[in-house]
Amino acid sequence: DIVLTQSPATLSLSPGDRATLSCRASQSVSGYLAWYQHKPGQAPRLLIYEASNRATGIPARFSGSGSGTDFTLTISSLEPEDFAVYYCHHRNIWPPVFTFGQGTNLEIK
Amino acid sequence: EVQLVESGGGLVQPGGSLKLSCAVSGFTFSAYSMNWVRQAPGKGLEWISHISGSSNTIYYADSVKGRFTVSRDNGKNSLYLEMNSLRAEDTAIYHCARVGLGASDIWGQGTKVFVSS
Repeated sequence: DIVLTQSPATLSLSPGDRATLSCRASQSVSGYLAWYQHKPGQAPRLLIYEASNRATGIPARFSGSGSGTDFTLTISSLEPEDFAVYYCHHRNIWPPVFTFGQGTNLEIK
Repeated sequence: EVQLVESGGGLVQPGGSLKLSCAVSGFTFSAYSMNWVRQAPGKGLEWISHISGSSNTIYYADSVKGRFTVSRDNGKNSLYLEMNSLRAEDTAIYHCARVGLGASDIWGQGTKVFVSS
């Protein structure tokens, strides 16, 4: 089974800073790598799908990159509402098994 | 507007059973596969079940295999998760999510399940 390892576990930054979140897969994955934002009491929100495509309504400050085993979510200039937990996620084509990373907690410094 | 609304959570004793529902609206339900994902207190997101639009393909995480059963009624625009032999470690918020764009693209707010004596 594929394991997704996110780093760092916690990232402390200030509004206006650039955030770089990493996700490493235990083996090379297909393009089905996604990123989610999750705030307490809310539904997770899809930010990026297929490694680099922004979902509908997601601001341009969010971008995804990477391939193979190494993927990155970048937030170019943090807004106050961006402080949350971020998860990377892989969908295996067959069998349809889905995997989440353990999350990165992006907190206000 | 696309909406997924879970219900059926609550307090149940270890070894007990519970059936969760997910009512969907705003899209052609039968055209989409669906997932159940949970988050235990203080933990991350955990995928637990997948069902295709026609119910032909069903998969479970090892942690729930043999205890949980996913089903759907496309005529009622509803997804279900029947949970048996519940354990303390099944305590979590349970979300249903639509599978689109190669990921779970739309999620419900979740329903809380608490397993305790």
